[in-house]
Amino acid sequence: EVQLVESGGGVVQPGGSLRLSCTASGFTFHDYAIHWVRQAPGKGLEWVSVIGADGDDIYYADSLKGRFTISRDNNKRSLYLLMNHLRPEDTALYFCAKDQAEMGANPFDIWGQGTMVTVSS
Amino acid sequence: DIQMTQSPSTLSASVGDRVTITCRASQTISDFLAWYQQKPGKAPKLLIYRASTLQSGVSSRFSGSGSETDFTLTISSLQPDDFATYYCQQYNSYPLYTFGQGTKLEIK
Repeated sequence: EVQLVESGGGVVQPGGSLRLSCTASGFTFHDYAIHWVRQAPGKGLEWVSVIGADGDDIYYADSLKGRFTISRDNNKRSLYLLMNHLRPEDTALYFCAKDQAEMGANPFDIWGQGTMVTVSS
Repeated sequence: DIQMTQSPSTLSASVGDRVTITCRASQTISDFLAWYQQKPGKAPKLLIYRASTLQSGVSSRFSGSGSETDFTLTISSLQPDDFATYYCQQYNSYPLYTFGQGTKLEIK
């Protein structure tokens, strides 16, 4: 079964850090770009970041202003998101999502169930 | 940045109805448009990409059309499982992707 499973969410104080993970199964992980997408409670979907299949192409939403870092370990079939200087507005359900290809203009065809991040004092 | 605007925000319909959801882009995006379905507490599911191509395994009751700035998602005969929130997404401005604000499809 093609699957993505996120982990690492939790409650963190403003200004703190958190590292999310996403583990893949059922497809050739190293052949595809992977994205992070977040959804604030009761709100819509917001694209966060993407990393290409080989890890060389990396892009972020402008709104993140350098606070987040995406990475991947193809040997471990895993994707990561290191989030620093967290703000209350970063509170959201964070999804990882598989691109249809190694990189490029494509939709996201497989999504994980998400991991919740709450930034609160 | 390209903005995506969906209408309506909420749609009430009955089982068996034919419904249409509209998505408008703030600038031309060719046909780089996808539609997703999301149920409460669940992950989004890809329904349609390239504006009109049905994702494998998705019911043929779903169809998409449009190009440039104006797009529609049509569900031909609503089933109970179809009541959910639907999002459009543009990926023309790769690597910057934007979603519409969502359309909640409710049971009348």
